[in-house]
Amino acid sequence: SQQGEEDPQALSIQEGENATMNCSYKTSINNLQWYRQNSGRGLVHLILIRSNEREKHSGRLRVTLDTSKKSSSLLITASRAADTASYFCATDEGDDKIIFGKGTRLHILP
Amino acid sequence: DGGITQSPKYLFRKEGQNVTLSCEQNLNHDAMYWYRQDPGQGLRLIYYSQIVNDFQKGDIAEGYSVSREKKESFPLTVTSAQKNPTAFYLCASKKSGALRGGDGYTFGSGTRLTVV
Repeated sequence: SQQGEEDPQALSIQEGENATMNCSYKTSINNLQWYRQNSGRGLVHLILIRSNEREKHSGRLRVTLDTSKKSSSLLITASRAADTASYFCATDEGDDKIIFGKGTRLHILP
Repeated sequence: DGGITQSPKYLFRKEGQNVTLSCEQNLNHDAMYWYRQDPGQGLRLIYYSQIVNDFQKGDIAEGYSVSREKKESFPLTVTSAQKNPTAFYLCASKKSGALRGGDGYTFGSGTRLTVV
């Protein structure tokens, strides 16, 4: 089963610009997480937002959650070349496993 | 430094052969997971284990088997029954209460399996 779905599938922006990725999901969740994956590597946990939270910040990352629309967004401000990666949302329905979306491929242009 | 180690990084399997992928963690995490990732796709859950000597099937368990004899280790065997095993396999672990505490999963670097 695939719970989250990221949008867009791919995104190219100039270095220094902000990047926004969206995630939609289908059922009620306990929390939603965002992960980054560099090419050919494992995933790295970026941020977790609980179902009773609406916004969360971590460095250049800002995550929002709208449970009424079943959607979340990840904003990366002042993008850098090192931000080039795939970004995945993952939802936790409370059964001790998380379900990943298909990801957004972000490419930062020099 | 604590972490998850997956080995080997690359693995080649002949038709009809069983192969075992290793996953070891020294984080003292209780739960461990195996995911499969196909090109341009998200991660699909194969098996997971929340405690030693116990594990559950994920969404795509057919053709795979696991064991959890030690807390630190969660090997995945890709059997000959798995008809399309070429993929990138990722192991992850999580400490109890991690999600309530705001932490996520810790992932290994993956094993790329190719059928030759």
